[in-house]
Amino acid sequence: EDQVTQSPEALRLQEGESSSLNCSYTVSGLRGLFWYRQDPGKGPEFLFTLYSAGEEKEKERLKATLTKKESFLHITAPKPEDSATYLCAVRRDRGGSNYKLTFGKGTLLTVNP
Amino acid sequence: GAVVSQHPSRVICKSGTSVKIECRSLDFQATTMFWYRQFPKQSLMLMATSNEGSKATYEQGVEKDKFLINHASLTLSTLTVTSAHPEDSSFYICSARDYRGGVTNTGELFFGEGSRLTVL
Repeated sequence: EDQVTQSPEALRLQEGESSSLNCSYTVSGLRGLFWYRQDPGKGPEFLFTLYSAGEEKEKERLKATLTKKESFLHITAPKPEDSATYLCAVRRDRGGSNYKLTFGKGTLLTVNP
Repeated sequence: GAVVSQHPSRVICKSGTSVKIECRSLDFQATTMFWYRQFPKQSLMLMATSNEGSKATYEQGVEKDKFLINHASLTLSTLTVTSAHPEDSSFYICSARDYRGGVTNTGELFFGEGSRLTVL
């Protein structure tokens, strides 16, 4: 069974204090690792998809990296508006058009001004 | 990214009643939509895959007679929680893939804003 573990569960940073969120995964036949941002009471907002080890993607202050066992979401010089829950999910190759994402529980990031 | 809209965003109902939640893809056609459920501080759990013009595919442990899914058009899927009970209270979120790029390996799954169901 696919497993996704995110750490830490919660992270408090001061504005400008860079850090990283971790997503460890176990999946047979990875067909994509996804990062989403979720604000309270809202649906997840797509950030990145990574497909193979060594791949990196960036968007503003966020950078996602992928290895064969984990992914990191690096946040450089965060701002209070970056406060949210960050979700990691994996997709396993189930063949055909079968499409299922397995999500982690998320990391609640709070950035204090 | 693509826009997925859900309605209502919040609903409160009495135990035993049925509640319908709509999910619309606003700027693209979605032959497949997905319904997720999220409990506080828990992962999103896939409930079912909604296929336009055919029966939904339910995940193990999800009662298909309780969670009725209809995907009557390429832009609309509905989830009906029948005979709702307090334990059905949760955050329900739909999602859809935008196939306009024509690449089936595209991983982007876009989510609606979610619907908070409270059953009294």
